Amino acid sequence: DAMVIQNPRYQVTQFGKPVTLSCSQTLNHNVMYWYQQKSSQAPKLLFHYYDKDFNNEADTPDNFQSRRPNTSFCFLDIRSPGLGDAAMYLCATSRDGPLPYEQYFGPGTRLTVT
Amino acid sequence: AQSVAQPEDQVNVAEGNPLTVKCTYSVSGNPYLFWYVQYPNRGLQFLLKYITGDNLVKGSYGFEAEFNKSQTSFHLKKPSALVSDSALYFCAVRVAGAGSYQLTFGKGTKLSVIP
Repeated sequence: DAMVIQNPRYQVTQFGKPVTLSCSQTLNHNVMYWYQQKSSQAPKLLFHYYDKDFNNEADTPDNFQSRRPNTSFCFLDIRSPGLGDAAMYLCATSRDGPLPYEQYFGPGTRLTVT
Repeated sequence: AQSVAQPEDQVNVAEGNPLTVKCTYSVSGNPYLFWYVQYPNRGLQFLLKYITGDNLVKGSYGFEAEFNKSQTSFHLKKPSALVSDSALYFCAVRVAGAGSYQLTFGKGTKLSVIP
């Protein structure tokens, strides 16, 4: 059973053309994350939501924004994609509590910028 | 700041032999440590975690890891490797503390199990 779903799996966009990636979860987790993973590199956290509270990493470019309209869905918006934004984008979720819970990852969306 | 080092880009091991994938960490405070595995064109899958207590942690698919505070290490091990274990392995650290969600990953180690 799919728990963290990302659509589309592959996305091609043109330089400067806005693009939105989507993530949904069936786990009812209150924390959702977006990571950027470039080829042969570690995933890099862009931002996360704790419920509706948005938390941006200090070095995440302003070009990247996110929306979380409800518990199940989260979107990554790239306002003006550049060639350097080509990467795999991973969505993840976790529970919250006094001890850390593991994150559950979706399969990722591979973004190509032409 | 927290960081993770995986000193080996690639580890090759023969099927049936024991495997070790190395990880060292640096945090200010007590660490929470994780191992994830990534298969090609897939998301990361959780293997195991250390929070507190027993230094030897057992996880999925027969993997285990040993937390060593003095050496700041959290090496991943398996007694007998399978070809299906071939994948990219990531170690990750999170500092203990309320409101801290940032998980910092190492750069990954590619494990190849040779038949």
